[in-house]
Amino acid sequence: GEDVEQSLFLSVREGDSSVINCTYTDSSSTYLYWYKQEPGAGLQLLTYIFSNMDMKQDQRLTVLLNKKDKHLSLRIADTQTGDSAIYFCAESAPNNAGNMLTFGGGTRLMVKP
Amino acid sequence: NAGVTQTPKFQVLKTGQSMTLQCAQDMNHNSMYWYRQDPGMGLRLIYYSASEGTTDKGEVPNGYNVSRLNKREFSLRLESAAPSQTSVYFCASSEALLGTNEQFFGPGTRLTVL
Repeated sequence: GEDVEQSLFLSVREGDSSVINCTYTDSSSTYLYWYKQEPGAGLQLLTYIFSNMDMKQDQRLTVLLNKKDKHLSLRIADTQTGDSAIYFCAESAPNNAGNMLTFGGGTRLMVKP
Repeated sequence: NAGVTQTPKFQVLKTGQSMTLQCAQDMNHNSMYWYRQDPGMGLRLIYYSASEGTTDKGEVPNGYNVSRLNKREFSLRLESAAPSQTSVYFCASSEALLGTNEQFFGPGTRLTVL
């Protein structure tokens, strides 16, 4: 099946920028997503990008997509302690059964005061 | 709107016991999904229902059954629980026909099988 991969951990200091990276293998991906999971909670959609876009900015969040390298990144500017969570990258493709999403393993972001 | 709700929040079972996890959504979505989440493995799709009256297997369906009771409700049943089914289970729904396929998740059910 198709794969989505992320690094497991990222630690940053409060006020710094965080960059979370993701690679995927499905070249037919149409949408790519970033979800946030806080402790003990479900996943919440942070942002998404359509595959014909290179960049999307939404307040402190910047998503970069390199379709040639199948690389997606999420940059969080001025990272706060409330940003500590697990971040999941996911992709949706036309050939995914039932429009299912394929998720990466999640990156745990720890923000130190 | 409550969004996606799941019951129970926590459950402990002994090996061989059965149980049903309940999920309901009030967003009038056509598609509903059951995922399991294990450490470092992201979410893996167990079963999905693209529309009322249909269900299909996902990536890891063995040991599970589902029922799409109506448009709102999608239940997941473990007939004979095994320790390998210890996990966090998430239900999600989406209006897949609208293009972005944003999925809305419930708060999860934390299941331990002893």
